[in-house]
Amino acid sequence: NAGVTQTPKFQVLKTGQSMTLQCAQDMNHEYMSWYRQDPGMGLRLIHYSVGAGITDQGEVPNGYNVSRSTTEDFPLRLLSAAPSQTSVYFCASSPGLAGGPWDTQYFGPGTRLTVL
Amino acid sequence: AQSVTQPDIHITVSEGASLELRCNYSYGATPYLFWYVQSPGQGLQLLLKYFSGDTLVQGIKGFEAEFKRSQSSFNLRKPSVHWSDAAEYFCAVGAYGEYGNKLVFGAGTILRVKS
Repeated sequence: NAGVTQTPKFQVLKTGQSMTLQCAQDMNHEYMSWYRQDPGMGLRLIHYSVGAGITDQGEVPNGYNVSRSTTEDFPLRLLSAAPSQTSVYFCASSPGLAGGPWDTQYFGPGTRLTVL
Repeated sequence: AQSVTQPDIHITVSEGASLELRCNYSYGATPYLFWYVQSPGQGLQLLLKYFSGDTLVQGIKGFEAEFKRSQSSFNLRKPSVHWSDAAEYFCAVGAYGEYGNKLVFGAGTILRVKS
């Protein structure tokens, strides 16, 4: 199993550009989530999904869109990139145990995004 | 609102010494509690979790944590630290269901191990 994979590993965008961060998991996990990690702030939840076709907002959803058309994939779209979105982005999946989406999450290696 | 405080930004311990990383949380009900570890340039790995039951939980890599409701704490411990434990550690508090769906991470504690 590859686990959780994320592409690209690094990306540089100009302000106003759009792009999609890809996330895929091969563990047949029901739940998937996106986080951003900024220095001194830990991880913050952007969006999450409790199954194909079902998504919900996390703590910092503005400027990001998600969709979940399959169990395996959960892409994160930046609609119009801003310098404030410079961050490291992590995708995670979980099998849906007692703790719901947050229980026993497996994280991808991250995407480092810079917006100029 | 949920919040998580990790009071120590950096901690340095000698190899073989004991370790305790502090985590305090604010939440109205009994939350789901987690500790994660992140090595440089890597994603996060779950060390242990607490939902209910025995307040002392065992995790991977020889770590344990104790839930203390009266102190709103969930401190991580290890009796003897190895050089490979050098990493950043995150405490997280989650809720799911009738109390809302939310997961909040602390700002992290960077552990340095000196030989």
